[in-house]
Amino acid sequence: GAVVSQHPSWVICKSGTSVKIECRSLDFQATTMFWYRQFPKQSLMLMATSNEGSKATYEQGVEKDKFLINHASLTLSTLTVTSAHPEDSSFYICSARTPGQWEQYFGPGTRLTVT
Amino acid sequence: AQKVTQAQTEISVVEKEDVTLDCVYETRDTTYYLFWYKQPPSGELVFLIRRNSFDEQNEISGRYSWNFQKSTSSFNFTITASQVVDSAVYFCALSEDSNDMRFGAGTRLTVKP
Repeated sequence: GAVVSQHPSWVICKSGTSVKIECRSLDFQATTMFWYRQFPKQSLMLMATSNEGSKATYEQGVEKDKFLINHASLTLSTLTVTSAHPEDSSFYICSARTPGQWEQYFGPGTRLTVT
Repeated sequence: AQKVTQAQTEISVVEKEDVTLDCVYETRDTTYYLFWYKQPPSGELVFLIRRNSFDEQNEISGRYSWNFQKSTSSFNFTITASQVVDSAVYFCALSEDSNDMRFGAGTRLTVKP
């Protein structure tokens, strides 16, 4: 149980275009989902926390207008990278949590390359 | 503010050696959770262990063992008789509340045959 999927697993896009990444909890309802970014050979950095039905909370330094997060249902959160630039190339990982639990279940990640 | 320090950036050992990965944390809270994750080259995080702040009992799982010492704010991870498949980046993480998990910088372990 507690499986989280991400789609796509990798994506290549051209500079200036937008890319949407999906995060789904497959066998549980996730009231809270988290988005992390990991640059090569670096650690995971929390970008934002999203609660179902409300606006996401972004970490300091993360542009909310560039990284649009939607958590419209208890099993799906999406991250849209708008007007992507090469510096946005990174590994994006989502995680999901059930109510009252501390455990976060991580997705397999999405590798984004912006050319 | 919470902080996790993994001072060892990279470790290289030969197969069958024991290796210990260090993790030191900082927190003002009395209730918190500590985690270890493995990240193989595929990138997917593999959960290894979770320990809450009230449980200082050391844990052993096969070749893996963890030493939690609140007195030194450390949560070290030992792999006994390492294998090539243990090669990965290992992250220690701290969570002070259910909405926040902070990761250390990670330790890249290479196990050579």
